[in-house]
Amino acid sequence: QKEVEQNSGPLSVPEGAIASLNCTYSDRVSQSFFWYRQYSGKSPELIMSIYSNGDKEDGRFTAQLNKASQYVSLLIRDSQPSDSATYLCAVNGGFQKLVFGTGTRLLVSP
Amino acid sequence: DAGVIQSPRHEVTEMGQEVTLRCKPISGHNSLFWYRQTMMRGLELLIYFNNNVPIDDSGMPEDRFSAKMPNASFSTLKIQPSEPRDSAVYFCASSLDPTRRGLDTEAFFGQGTRLTVV
Repeated sequence: QKEVEQNSGPLSVPEGAIASLNCTYSDRVSQSFFWYRQYSGKSPELIMSIYSNGDKEDGRFTAQLNKASQYVSLLIRDSQPSDSATYLCAVNGGFQKLVFGTGTRLLVSP
Repeated sequence: DAGVIQSPRHEVTEMGQEVTLRCKPISGHNSLFWYRQTMMRGLELLIYFNNNVPIDDSGMPEDRFSAKMPNASFSTLKIQPSEPRDSAVYFCASSLDPTRRGLDTEAFFGQGTRLTVV
């Protein structure tokens, strides 16, 4: 079983819709969770971090964490074509070891 | 801050040759990570250093791969001899130690080195 799992997609949504990206992890002791965005041919860039159960909002982005279910999600409201990218879920596997999922490709159509 | 700086950006080499990738972390960061990204396997952690000391190299695929961090501002990843299956994008990332920033382990990535072994 992979440590961090994501659906590879692509997830296609129309402009203005809500995009929902999901991630599950296997290590129950994980403490820190991150969402990175990666445009084609570019490096990953951090967009959200979350450490406690519940929701964390930052602009159009909301990260949700449920440690009991070992589940992290990212919601993107009012999706824009510029949001089209691969979204990587990352989990702190202890001692700063960040483990990444394989990413979900998001396509936002105008 | 210039961010994490990697060189070269692109490298094409022949099978059997030695390849050296270089990384300069963000000033003040004391953790450094080397990742490899391929379509099939995604982003894999190869090795990471804390305060210039290798902490976990369990992701290094085999003895052909080695990494060093002689000081806080420089690290290398070496592949000798290189093979076509090593072709990938290699990323270096850096972060602050969580003991200085609590649980925060935000890693900042360099632009990557695209390695092609023919």
